[in-house]
This record gives sequence, C-alpha cells and structure tokens, in this order.
Amino acid sequence: AQRVTQPEKLLSVFKGAPVELKCNYSYSGSPELFWYVQYSRQRLQLLLRHISRESIKGFTADLNKGETSFHLKKPFAQEEDSAMYYCALNLPRGGSEKLVFGKGTKLTVNP
Amino acid sequence: DAMVIQNPRYQVTQFGKPVTLSCSQTLNHNVMYWYQQKSSQAPKLLFHYYDKDFNNEADTPDNFQSRRPNTSFCFLDIRSPGLGDAAMYLCATSREGPGLKPQHFGDGTRLSIL
Repeated sequence: AQRVTQPEKLLSVFKGAPVELKCNYSYSGSPELFWYVQYSRQRLQLLLRHISRESIKGFTADLNKGETSFHLKKPFAQEEDSAMYYCALNLPRGGSEKLVFGKGTKLTVNP
Repeated sequence: DAMVIQNPRYQVTQFGKPVTLSCSQTLNHNVMYWYQQKSSQAPKLLFHYYDKDFNNEADTPDNFQSRRPNTSFCFLDIRSPGLGDAAMYLCATSREGPGLKPQHFGDGTRLSIL
C-alpha cells in the first residue's frame, strides 16, 4: 500500500542550527514526491518537488530510492521557517493526481 | 492574484442538518479536489473532478457528495453530518496533463457540528 511516514510530530531547533525533517515512503512504482508547508494562519502551499532538485527558501530535499526517503533539509534554520511541513506522495491517475500526505511535522525555530 | 477561494472559513451546523461548502478558483484548472483533515491528521482525499468527471475515493462515506456546475466552482455537500465529520475541509486544484504538477490549496473551511 502507498504510504508516507513522517516519524516526528514535533521538531524544535534553535535559529542558525541545521534542520532535517524526515520523510519515508512506501510505493511500488517510481515515486513522485512533494513537500508542502503551512505557515500559521496560511494555506497549505507547495514548498518543493523532487524532480526540480531546487532549493526553496534554503530548503533542499533529495530522493533516496534505496532508503525510500525524501528528507527535507536546511543548513541554517530561521525563525520564519516555523510551520507545519507535510511530505506528500503523488499517485498519477491519467491526468489527475492523488496526493497521499504524511501526518506532518511541526517545526519550531527558537530564537 | 489567481487563487482558490473557500467559503465560508468557519461553518457551524447541527447534527444531521445538511451543509454545503463551496470552493471557487480563478486558475482555470481542470482538476478540483476535496480533502478532509481532522485534528493532528494528514489531509485525506475525499474525491476529485477531472473536468466534469467525478472520481470518488473508495473509502469516502456516501454521506459526502460533490457538485461541479462549471470549471470555476465546486461544492461539497454533507447530507447528514455526524459528530465525526467535524474537520477542516480543503479544496485544491491542479492542471491536467503529464508531468508532476502541484496542487493549489484554498484556506479551508473548518466545520463544527453541534
């Protein structure tokens, strides 16, 4: 069965410290993965997707098929990074997609 | 700005009283989704429309229905809300076609059942 696991419900770091939000997936096909973020009182929004290999707001995520992981990393956390982060697995279905979300990790960056 | 708009932000209804949540979009996306998100849980897909084609998830209760009268609007109808239906309901849209396309979310409607 397709599944996304985010093992940490809460993660707290100090400003300037590195941060890693873990995501593991279970999927028999070739995975397509996203990270979505929800800042306080804002809508859920796309942070980055694995095919882009981009860095958004200093965050990167590398797909590791051997470990079935897609961890989100940032070398120096900022207070404005405090938010809820969701890892999501895309299940293509002929034009429309289904996103399977993890339960999310609440990141708090302390001053 | 093109966006996904959900109304109302907060909805209170009585146990068993039908309720409708609305979603509109200015993105001209072909696909519209409805998710249910309960406290401390992941968003869970209820159903989606690909143009006019309705696609129900296998585990979505019959109590939940949806309508899409045109490209811009999509409605979620809960025929007889129970206490377990209290949740945040998220609407999202995406473009059709191949490739990895993100979904664009609205702010959500938080539904409370009295």
